[in-house]
Amino acid sequence: GENVEQHPSTLSVQEGDSAVIKCTYSDSASNYFPWYKQELGKGPQLIIDIRSNVGEKKDQRIAVTLNKTAKHFSLHITETQPEDSAVYFCAAKTTSGTYKYIFGTGTRLKVLA
Amino acid sequence: KAGVTQTPRYLIKTRGQQVTLSCSPISGHRSVSWYQQTPGQGLQFLFEYFSETQRNKGNFPGRFSGRQFSNSRSEMNVSTLELGDSALYLCASSTGTGEVGETQYFGPGTRLLVL
Repeated sequence: GENVEQHPSTLSVQEGDSAVIKCTYSDSASNYFPWYKQELGKGPQLIIDIRSNVGEKKDQRIAVTLNKTAKHFSLHITETQPEDSAVYFCAAKTTSGTYKYIFGTGTRLKVLA
Repeated sequence: KAGVTQTPRYLIKTRGQQVTLSCSPISGHRSVSWYQQTPGQGLQFLFEYFSETQRNKGNFPGRFSGRQFSNSRSEMNVSTLELGDSALYLCASSTGTGEVGETQYFGPGTRLLVL
């Protein structure tokens, strides 16, 4: 069935360094890839997304890249700050049959001051 | 625009009881999806409702059910609660049109503890 693998499960970086989280999806018909940030006690919040017809998208310190051939997409956070510490989820919107969102298992990012 | 709201935020129940959770989507959104989030399993899709009809379903037992009202508000029900049902239940709303950039917006969740 459809699947999204996310790595790493935990990531610790020094403040100011970059963080990269990678996801791989299985359904080649997936056409939309959102990233969510979940802080303690809150629901996931959309931080950036990318459509299948785009290779890269940036929003200030956050960027997402997509390699459709390899079915990989990645989240890049530059100049990390302590408030970036959270759990990050990737997702793929699959269009096989009725469309739905498949989520990765999450990455716990810790930014050390 | 108000975000997705979920009630109650916290619930404690005992095994065998049943529970009903409520979700109000963003105004204008017609699709409501429910997810179960546990530390070991991540976000697991329960079901999606669109225009009062279940449009999609995950792999959960029949004890998990839901419905959607004409104003797009949705409820999910879990009967005969088990210890393993302890989780954060998240509701997400979207337009439901299926367009490429359609995004789901999540509520704060209902944390259910089954004793």
